[in-house]
Amino acid sequence: GAVVSQHPSWVICKSGTSVKIECRSLDFQATTMFWYRQFPKQSLMLMATSNEGSKATYEQGVEKDKFLINHASLTLSTLTVTSAHPEDSSFYICSATAGNNWGSPLHFGNGTRLTVT
Amino acid sequence: GENVEQHPSTLSVQEGDSAVIKCTYSDSASNYFPWYKQELGKRPQLIIDIRSNVGEKKDQRIAVTLNKTAKHFSLHITETQPEDSAVYFCAASMNDMRFGAGTRLTVKP
Repeated sequence: GAVVSQHPSWVICKSGTSVKIECRSLDFQATTMFWYRQFPKQSLMLMATSNEGSKATYEQGVEKDKFLINHASLTLSTLTVTSAHPEDSSFYICSATAGNNWGSPLHFGNGTRLTVT
Repeated sequence: GENVEQHPSTLSVQEGDSAVIKCTYSDSASNYFPWYKQELGKRPQLIIDIRSNVGEKKDQRIAVTLNKTAKHFSLHITETQPEDSAVYFCAASMNDMRFGAGTRLTVKP
């Protein structure tokens, strides 16, 4: 089955530093990758949609300068949380799809638990 | 944009009973409706999905129904087992995927 690898699985950083999270599709080409954020006991909130080779589309309320997304290839997307603050602490999950107009399942990474101290 | 509502938020059933979770969506253009199961601290796992040209789909103890006219779809789990306990998310998609708020299902032995 389709595998999405996300790293790191957890990270603790100091306030003001930046953290990069990688999301790779291991056995398929991901035309589209999605980044979600999940607070405890809550649903997955879509942060942004990235298509290979183009700028990410951010959801309303998500700061694009704070959450930098790069989808450099069909198998790799990165999310960089810049100048992290404690309120950025959350569970970040990437997902990928081969994508077509008929709708495709999302394949999720294992998630990254970010703690900003 | 798409808005997905999911009910109930929590559901507790006795082992062996059935569980039903319902979702509604707002965008009639949505054409793909997956259901995910998420265990604590783990990634969501796809358990079943349905496309808009199908009204019902079944996979062993799990079934999903879709009513396009009413814009709602439901997950049915029969003969529930304790290992079915988890949070279940519905989603609706055309080009991106929006999730419902989730249902925490507890199956009591």
